[in-house]
Amino acid sequence: RKEVEQDPGPFNVPEGATVAFNCTYSNSASQSFFWYRQDCRKEPKLLMSVYSSGNEDGRFTAQLNRASQYISLLIRDSKLSDSATYLCVVNPPGRRALTFGSGTRLQVQP
Amino acid sequence: NAGVMQNPRHLVRRRGQEARLRCSPMKGHSHVYWYRQLPEEGLKFMVYLQKENIIDESGMPKERFSAEFPKEGPSILRIQQVVRGDSAAYFCASSPPEEWTEAFFGQGTRLTVV
Repeated sequence: RKEVEQDPGPFNVPEGATVAFNCTYSNSASQSFFWYRQDCRKEPKLLMSVYSSGNEDGRFTAQLNRASQYISLLIRDSKLSDSATYLCVVNPPGRRALTFGSGTRLQVQP
Repeated sequence: NAGVMQNPRHLVRRRGQEARLRCSPMKGHSHVYWYRQLPEEGLKFMVYLQKENIIDESGMPKERFSAEFPKEGPSILRIQQVVRGDSAAYFCASSPPEEWTEAFFGQGTRLTVV
C-alpha cells in the first residue's frame, strides 16, 4: 500500500462548482499534513496546512480525519485559475522527509 | 528573504557526462530535500539532508547519484555518467529545524540528457 494515495483525476468541473479531493495515508503516527498545488512545469507551492479541527482559507477548506486516516480539500466557487494538480502531503514519524501523493488534477472549464 | 534558489534552471548533458545541481535553502533553514519528477508523473523523494549529514537517502538510486550539504555553501546533487532516463525535473525543498513543518520548493532544475 502506498504511503499517501490520491485519486489522480482529472476532475473536470465548470466554473463556480464545488469540488472535493480526498487523500488517504497509511502511517497512523504521521504528525502533520499539508496540501500543495503544482501548476504545469512549475514547483509545488504550499496551499494550506491541515489541522484536526479543520481550517479554512477563503474558498478552500481542509479537513483531517485521524481515525480514518484521510485528508480532504474542498474548493468552493471554482475559478479557472484553480486548474492545477493538488498534492496531498504527509509528514511521517521519525526523521523522514515529507511524503507526497501523486496528485489530483483539476481542470476548471468556462 | 530570498526563497529556495536552484541553479541552473536548465541543464543539458550528453550521455556519460556528469550533472551537478545546486540548491541554496531559505535563510534559517537547515533541512534540504531533493525530489525528482519525471514527465507526467508525481514527485519522488530522493534524499533528505541536514548540514553535513545525510538523514535519509532511501530514495536515491544505488549508483551514479550522490548528494551533499556542506557546512558552507549550497547542497549539491551529483549525477555521474548520465543516461537518457535521468532526464527529469529535479526539485529541492528546504524547511526550518523544527519538526513537522512545511517545506518550500525551489523552481527546479530541468535536466535533459541527449
